[in-house]
Amino acid sequence: KNQVEQSPQSLIILEGKNCTLQCNYTVSPFSNLRWYKQDTGRGPVSLTIMTFSENTKSNGRYTATLDADTKQSSLHITASQLSDSASYICVVSAGGSYIPTFGRGTSLIVHP
Amino acid sequence: DTAVSQTPKYLVTQMGNDKSIKCEQNLGHDTMYWYKQDSKKFLKIMFSYNNKELIINETVPNRFSPKSPDKAHLNLHINSLELGDSAVYFCASVRGREQFFGPGTRLTVL
Repeated sequence: KNQVEQSPQSLIILEGKNCTLQCNYTVSPFSNLRWYKQDTGRGPVSLTIMTFSENTKSNGRYTATLDADTKQSSLHITASQLSDSASYICVVSAGGSYIPTFGRGTSLIVHP
Repeated sequence: DTAVSQTPKYLVTQMGNDKSIKCEQNLGHDTMYWYKQDSKKFLKIMFSYNNKELIINETVPNRFSPKSPDKAHLNLHINSLELGDSAVYFCASVRGREQFFGPGTRLTVL
């Protein structure tokens, strides 16, 4: 059964600090992994998309890593800002399938 | 210009009623999805349409009926609403690996 597990479930950090969110998956065969940011009351917005051959991808202060061997991904946020407060969702797609598998998300709160 | 729009944003209704949620995308994509996000923020796919044809129906009760009048629209009609239908419903437009989500419709069934 395809599954995506994210940790931690929630995280509180101070503005300016860095943090790392984790995503472990058992989706097979692997096609791609996406990280989304979902602000309260809004739809998810894509941050990064990674395929099997990509180890690292950055989008501004967001850097995603992928280890296809261990089936793990991380999202690193540098110099956090108040606007980073949101839910971060890891989504993994299997090859040949229209149905992506969603993680339950990590809720990040950045305090001033 | 909003890429994916949904109406209404909020919907409060009584059990047993029938309601519709509309979704429109101006991105020119062929594929659209409906998702349900429960109170624990878990997103679950409901339907997918490609070029006005249903390609995914994820064991959703037949009280839910998607309708795609054209490629730019995928509406969701729900009959005989139940308390458990309360959730946020998201429409998404898809090209390749990229999904563009609408702002969501918060449905509350009383």
